[in-house]
Amino acid sequence: NAGVMQNPRHLVRRRGQEARLRCSPMKGHSHVYWYRQLPEEGLKFMVYLQKENIIDESGMPKERFSAEFPKEGPSILRIQQVVRGDSAAYFCASSPAGTSGGGGEQFFGPGTRLTVL
Amino acid sequence: AQRVTQPEKLLSVFKGAPVELKCNYSYSGSPELFWYVQYSRQRLQLLLRHISRESIKGFTADLNKGETSFHLKKPFAQEEDSAMYYCALYNFNKFYFGSGTKLNVKP
Repeated sequence: NAGVMQNPRHLVRRRGQEARLRCSPMKGHSHVYWYRQLPEEGLKFMVYLQKENIIDESGMPKERFSAEFPKEGPSILRIQQVVRGDSAAYFCASSPAGTSGGGGEQFFGPGTRLTVL
Repeated sequence: AQRVTQPEKLLSVFKGAPVELKCNYSYSGSPELFWYVQYSRQRLQLLLRHISRESIKGFTADLNKGETSFHLKKPFAQEEDSAMYYCALYNFNKFYFGSGTKLNVKP
């Protein structure tokens, strides 16, 4: 089991461009979480998805950000019209089932470092 | 609102010394708390969770509801313990992470 995969590992975009970040969960995991880490800050929850469903997107900025987890293929975090403030590390985590009820472990990917010029 | 605070950005100790990484939380219900660790060039991974009451790699953490704390402790630090440590609180679908403490264990 290769673990949670994220690509690209590093992404450079100019202001106004679109950024697409991909996350392939561990085999057998159907729940995906996205986090953002700004410099000198902790991880901040963005969105929780199951296959074809957004369960909780309360941490997502209202504009320009979207996420999906299709039936086939990786989960995608999309940032449209990027701005300098979007520069951060974006981490994906997966679990075999939702952590609703607590006690569940999340398995993290290596992260994608987005730099907006 | 839920919040996790790790007041120390950096903690340096000598090998063999005791270590305590502080974590305070704000949460109105019964919290579920975790410690995650990130070793150099590795991914963030679970170290321990309070409901398990376990000791992992010599680390323990006790939930103190009165002080709303979940400090991570180890009686004798080892060089291989050097890493970033994150305290996290789980509440209904979400983990709330602290900003992390970098532990540096000197030889």
